[in-house]
Amino acid sequence: DAGITQSPRHKVTETGTPVTLRCHQTENHRYMYWYRQDPGHGLRLIHYSYGVKDTDKGEVSDGYSVSRSKTEDFLLTLESATSSQTSVYFCAISDERRSYGYTFGSGTRLTVV
Amino acid sequence: AQSVTQLDSQVPVFEEAPVELRCNYSSSVSVYLFWYVQYPNQGLQLLLKYLSGSTLVESINGFEAEFNKSQTSFHLRKPSVHISDTAEYFCAVSRGFQKLVFGTGTRLLVSP
Repeated sequence: DAGITQSPRHKVTETGTPVTLRCHQTENHRYMYWYRQDPGHGLRLIHYSYGVKDTDKGEVSDGYSVSRSKTEDFLLTLESATSSQTSVYFCAISDERRSYGYTFGSGTRLTVV
Repeated sequence: AQSVTQLDSQVPVFEEAPVELRCNYSSSVSVYLFWYVQYPNQGLQLLLKYLSGSTLVESINGFEAEFNKSQTSFHLRKPSVHISDTAEYFCAVSRGFQKLVFGTGTRLLVSP
């Protein structure tokens, strides 16, 4: 989507290394989310942010941390990557009226070998 | 907490045939309901949503969904599918300002 970009689009990393994924938005939306998508599980929420420096855990937050120092950027860090974190990661944004739904980025495909 | 069940992981259908993708949710309070579509190697796009009012909602590409409170369902339908409708479809629910909860997805496979 034009208002939200994720980088990198693809990454292969080794077990035990730290990895940071970036989500950048140009919509000035307050809320940002990180999801992972796995077959049979759909999308599961990792972490979310409701403002600069305001973040909270989702249902699958173990092994992940996030930071949001600016409205437009939301970083997801895998502190020590494991093979179970091989997945497709999606960032999403929403404004105050979350009933409008979320806007998703194109995803980052991460492979941990 | 609310949850979403999509009973069918995959639905094969021939082109121009009708299709229904099922979605049931569990919540004891009023909810907002959404259908998202994901084309191969892309992110999710909002297809349609129910917030309030008319229980039948429509998308611009011919899909419709009906909110049924008594059956706690929000099934997605299309009277005649195209090859280009091949994608994965996700049902999602939220309650007020709570976060979206997604179902596990249904892969629609349209064959000529």
